[in-house]
Amino acid sequence: GENVEQHPSTLSVQEGDSAVIKCTYSDSASNYFPWYKQELGKRPQLIIDIRSNVGEKKDQRIAVTLNKTAKHFSLHITETQPEDSAVYFCAASDTNNNAGNMLTFGGGTRLMVKP
Amino acid sequence: EAGVAQSPRYKIIEKRQSVAFWCNPISGHATLYWYQQILGQGPKLLIQFQNNGVVDDSQLPKDRFSAERLKGVDSTLKIQPAKLEDSAVYLCASGTDRMYTEAFFGQGTRLTVV
Repeated sequence: GENVEQHPSTLSVQEGDSAVIKCTYSDSASNYFPWYKQELGKRPQLIIDIRSNVGEKKDQRIAVTLNKTAKHFSLHITETQPEDSAVYFCAASDTNNNAGNMLTFGGGTRLMVKP
Repeated sequence: EAGVAQSPRYKIIEKRQSVAFWCNPISGHATLYWYQQILGQGPKLLIQFQNNGVVDDSQLPKDRFSAERLKGVDSTLKIQPAKLEDSAVYLCASGTDRMYTEAFFGQGTRLTVV
């Protein structure tokens, strides 16, 4: 089955700096890579996703890049703000394998943005 | 639109007891997932339903865990008997059956086994 590794496990940045979180996956059939943000005690919420036919996607201050050859993808957050503090999870899925999305999650990155 | 509803929010039980969690997905969502999230880890898929049929339950510990989705809407996840290592947040999520569909998560049920 799929295995997703995520690094770093914790990341502390100063407000206004950039943050980068990296993930690697093992199953070359995976073709969908979402990122979820989970604030303390709350549900995971999708913030951005990328499909395997795209190398990069951007939405305001967040962007995701995908390298299919190396089987890794990254989340980039620019101009970080205190409200970006949360745990971020990457995930991978082979959408051709079944209906819907059976997501395999990474272990999470706790991002702390210091004012 | 209304989100994924789960109950209870919290549950404390003794080991070897039984417990059940309930999930009501977003209306019209064909796919329903149960995830287990142990503290400090990412969610791990336990079971995926497509309408009222099981798509994947390969990571469900079937000797003690069971799940059903009668009528293809609400779902229940049961643990019997519970072990200390079952302490976790149990997240229900739902989505459409289209490719690249977003999984919408509920607030989860925090289970503590003592």
